Amino acid sequence: QVQLVQSGGEVKKPGASVKVSCKASGYNFISYGITWVRQAPGQGLEWMGWISASNGNIDYGLKFQGRVTMTTDTSTSTAYMELRSLRSDDTAMYYCARHNFDIWGQGTMVTVSS
Amino acid sequence: QSVLTQPPSASGTPGQRVTISCSGSSSNIGTNSLYWFQQLPGAAPKVLIYTNNQRPSGVPDRFSGSKSGTSASLAISGLRSEDEADYYCAVWDDTLSGYVFGTGTKVTVL
Repeated sequence: QVQLVQSGGEVKKPGASVKVSCKASGYNFISYGITWVRQAPGQGLEWMGWISASNGNIDYGLKFQGRVTMTTDTSTSTAYMELRSLRSDDTAMYYCARHNFDIWGQGTMVTVSS
Repeated sequence: QSVLTQPPSASGTPGQRVTISCSGSSSNIGTNSLYWFQQLPGAAPKVLIYTNNQRPSGVPDRFSGSKSGTSASLAISGLRSEDEADYYCAVWDDTLSGYVFGTGTKVTVL
């Protein structure tokens, strides 16, 4: 079946980086882009950006520009999101989704704590 | 703070109709197509409505979306206990060059 499976939870110290993976299966990976959305505990959804899996075109949310890098590996049908210079307010569940939001990963909890 | 405003809560008894509003501006709802998502406790969001009023296969027709000007609404008719969840609107914003999500509405079935 069509699914996105994300990597496991991470605990990081302030100032560190985290890289979350999102492995697609059940569809032609390059036919869809991948969107990244995060949700802080008890808070709403926040769009981080998206990447085209076919040509690598990227749109980053203004809030994350300069601190986030999104990439794809078409050989393994996997998308990656790296967030640098982590702060405590980056503690959140990070979701990947197909660019039209129809399929979502299960989420990856990233905790930033000293 | 979000550029899309939703009421924080809505409620109804089983079988009732509940409507959730999403208020934006000319740079987002006024120009682009809207999504509605349902998020059950502890789960990833699920798309209920795309392109303002289209339902993906598998979404019951109890859920309907509409848009007028810079506002949109999600209606849930025949409310059921399993509809108790958080609901979010989302749309592309031309000024921000990115998607924006609504503030979210918690629906409670009394």
